[in-house]
Amino acid sequence: AQSVTQLGSHVSVSEGALVLLRCNYSSSVPPYLFWYVQYPNQGLQLLLKYTTGATLVKGINGFEAEFKKSETSFHLTKPSAHMSDAAEYFCAVTPGNYGQNFVFGPGTRLSVLP
Amino acid sequence: ETGVTQSPTHLIKTRGQQVTLRCSSQSGHNTVSWYQQALGQGPQFIFQYYREEENGRGNFPPRFSGLQFPNYSSELNVNALELDDSALYLCASSAKDGSSGNTIYFGEGSWLTVV
Repeated sequence: AQSVTQLGSHVSVSEGALVLLRCNYSSSVPPYLFWYVQYPNQGLQLLLKYTTGATLVKGINGFEAEFKKSETSFHLTKPSAHMSDAAEYFCAVTPGNYGQNFVFGPGTRLSVLP
Repeated sequence: ETGVTQSPTHLIKTRGQQVTLRCSSQSGHNTVSWYQQALGQGPQFIFQYYREEENGRGNFPPRFSGLQFPNYSSELNVNALELDDSALYLCASSAKDGSSGNTIYFGEGSWLTVV
């Protein structure tokens, strides 16, 4: 079985500060890992994904994440927060096949303070 | 734009009623899945359809059922609605041939309120 833990249901940062959103997973098979963002009253938008290969993955809007197998982590970072980054962020894991049975974490709400 | 559209966007139903939610996917996306997202929680996998057959299901009772059609549209049906069914229902699609790298694309969701 797979599971995802996101440390911190709510994270606040100042505009221009580093954003760090934590994600840890458990999986009995090599996982594919994803970060999705959800703006208020909208669906989920893909930020970035790790399938195989390079463990540092760059996504849209300046976000990146690093897959660390030894730590079973896939933390999301952005060097400088913008007001427009305020949203809910979800980490998700799926087995390394073409299934769509994603397991999502509970989400982290990011607030960006002026 | 993800190319996944859902309808209706909002609806209110009474406990015990039945509801049908609809989803239209991109051409070529032969795999569709549905998720339930309760307020303040992450999405929970309901089931997946591939070439019009269910081939994966989460921990949801049989009163949650679905259909997938050859024209890349699909439906989620929920019978005997309960108050706890109130949630955002998300449709997601992908190409099972792997061209999307197992990426799923979500629609904007249908908000269901059961009273």
